Amino acid sequence: DTEVTQTPKHLVMGMTNKKSLKCEQHMGHRAMYWYKQKAKKPPELMFVYSYEKLSINESVPSRFSPECPNSSLLNLHLHALQPEDSALYLCASSQRTSAYYEQYFGPGTRLTVT
Amino acid sequence: ELKVEQNPLFLSMQEGKNYTIYCNYSTTSDRLYWYRQDPGKSLESLFVLLSNGAVKQEGRLMASLDTKARLSTLHITAAVHDLSATYFCAVDWTGNQFYFGTGTSLTVIP
Repeated sequence: DTEVTQTPKHLVMGMTNKKSLKCEQHMGHRAMYWYKQKAKKPPELMFVYSYEKLSINESVPSRFSPECPNSSLLNLHLHALQPEDSALYLCASSQRTSAYYEQYFGPGTRLTVT
Repeated sequence: ELKVEQNPLFLSMQEGKNYTIYCNYSTTSDRLYWYRQDPGKSLESLFVLLSNGAVKQEGRLMASLDTKARLSTLHITAAVHDLSATYFCAVDWTGNQFYFGTGTSLTVIP
């Protein structure tokens, strides 16, 4: 099973709502990532978890709060978002081979903030 | 600041023609990745290039890496419509941080 799943596929939320995005993988990967991708732009790294510990936070605003409850799950908690946070949020996981990290991406959650 | 730049940003080419997409990056890295993204979809891994002079080929796509010049190329041979997509290169920095290039939106015209 080389699949990364994300739920929900689409999410519309108001600026005062609290919601969560979920990502799951069962490949035994110990690194998991959140990316944000705006239309016609490259994915931007937000967070990296390595062995369930937050290892990289790319200066993301505190209205985005990641959580890694176990090695298979990654959540992104959202609150008080702004319309400019509307984007495709991609989760990925990776494992290190002998020479590189092989990264697998989920299908993404398309988020619209109204 | 790490920069990964691609050119061209947009490419419209006729079926059957050849073209090359360029990826320049600003850090020392021996690992360069190419991805494909169809509209509204996620990213699909195409190639991983691991050393200077590495060349990988799959179908009509061939990727190469020159670490001294900090340059990777993605060459398209005899383009077909199915290759229409956005192509991203990415650099793996510090082993676990991926930074993506600006992307090249390819349209193959019949």
